[in-house]
Amino acid sequence: GDSVTQMEGPVTLSEEAFLTINCTYTATGYPSLFWYVQYPGEGLQLLLKATKADDKGSNKGFEATYRKETTSFHLEKGSVQVSDSAVYFCALPEGGTSYGKLTFGQGTILTVHP
Amino acid sequence: GAGVSQSPSNKVTEKGKDVELRCDPISGHTALYWYRQSLGQGLEFLIYFQGNSAPDKSGLPSDRFSAERTGGSVSTLTIQRTQQEDSAVYLCANLWTGSNYGYTFGSGTRLTVV
Repeated sequence: GDSVTQMEGPVTLSEEAFLTINCTYTATGYPSLFWYVQYPGEGLQLLLKATKADDKGSNKGFEATYRKETTSFHLEKGSVQVSDSAVYFCALPEGGTSYGKLTFGQGTILTVHP
Repeated sequence: GAGVSQSPSNKVTEKGKDVELRCDPISGHTALYWYRQSLGQGLEFLIYFQGNSAPDKSGLPSDRFSAERTGGSVSTLTIQRTQQEDSAVYLCANLWTGSNYGYTFGSGTRLTVV
């Protein structure tokens, strides 16, 4: 079945450091790919998405590029802030569709220190 | 409404009691999903509704769990004879199609079984 693998956490960085959170997937076809963020005590928020190969999703300074050849969707940010401290989830809809139930990675906890 | 609304936001119940969790989705969005987020288990799919029908109930962990949806709108997740392992955050999501494609989540109900 479809699956998503994220890099092990937690990740601890100093403010203004460069961030990469790796995400690789196995899937039927070419699904849309998502990054969700969960701030402390809150629900899941869509951070960015990409719907086809080579698409780059971006939002709030974060970027991720849909790489079909490496089945990856790594999340990057050039300069993190304390306010970026949260849990980040990579996800895709199962079954190669755009509307299937989401399969999530295990989540990566990011802590940014001043 | 403007977003997915869940109630209650927090619920503490005694072991063996029944609980009902409510999801009030975005008006007009026919696809609705329930997920569970627990420590050590990550995000687990529970059930998917298309309109009032549930074509995929594969994630419900036992027959103590049931869900319904009426009028293509509000959904209720019921857990009978709650157990401590049911303690988790229960999340509801809607699927947006078209140019705003993506899954929008509610803030969740934190269930604690004591």
